[in-house]
Amino acid sequence: AQSVTQLGSHVSVSEGALVLLRCNYSSSVPPYLFWYVQYPNQGLQLLLKYTSAATLVKGINGFEAEFKKSETSFHLTKPSAHMSDAAEYFCAVSSGAGSYQLTFGKGTKLSVIP
Amino acid sequence: SAVISQKPSRDICQRGTSLTIQCQVDSQVTMMFWYRQQPGQSLTLIATANQGSEATYESGFVIDKFPISRPNLTFSTLTVSNMSPEDSSIYLCSSRAGGLNHEQFFGPGTRLTVL
Repeated sequence: AQSVTQLGSHVSVSEGALVLLRCNYSSSVPPYLFWYVQYPNQGLQLLLKYTSAATLVKGINGFEAEFKKSETSFHLTKPSAHMSDAAEYFCAVSSGAGSYQLTFGKGTKLSVIP
Repeated sequence: SAVISQKPSRDICQRGTSLTIQCQVDSQVTMMFWYRQQPGQSLTLIATANQGSEATYESGFVIDKFPISRPNLTFSTLTVSNMSPEDSSIYLCSSRAGGLNHEQFFGPGTRLTVL
């Protein structure tokens, strides 16, 4: 079984400040990990993915995430928040081994304060 | 990446009726998925729709309530049957990129309100 825990249902940062959204996973096999973003009244857009290559993954819009196996974490960061980053962010895991189902965390709503 | 469209984008329905949601992908894909996102919640997988076979439902979801069709490699429908206000949610379809890729691409969602 696989699961995802996102710490903090709501995170507020000032414009220009560091964004850090936390994600911890549990998986019985090497995982595939993803961050998705959902803007209001829209579907999900893939931000970045980890698929067992480089542990530091760069995504769109200046976001990146680092896979840390020892900590079972895949935290999302961005050095400088922009107003347009305000959205809901979902971490997801796929356990591979022929199972392509995604298990999502509960989501973190990011607010950016001007 | 696949481009996915859904119809309708939103609807308001009366309890006891049914709504069929369409999902169209701009390329052939082996696996399509249907999710429910209840207000303020995360995504919950309803079922996996494979072309040429019956959909595989997750625990808590049954075919009588959520019948799914997958007539070809670019199209799927989800029907929400005998609706109640508890079915008010956003319903999203997605497709897997194919090959060894595990990421999924999502449609814009169908926002359903049941009165």
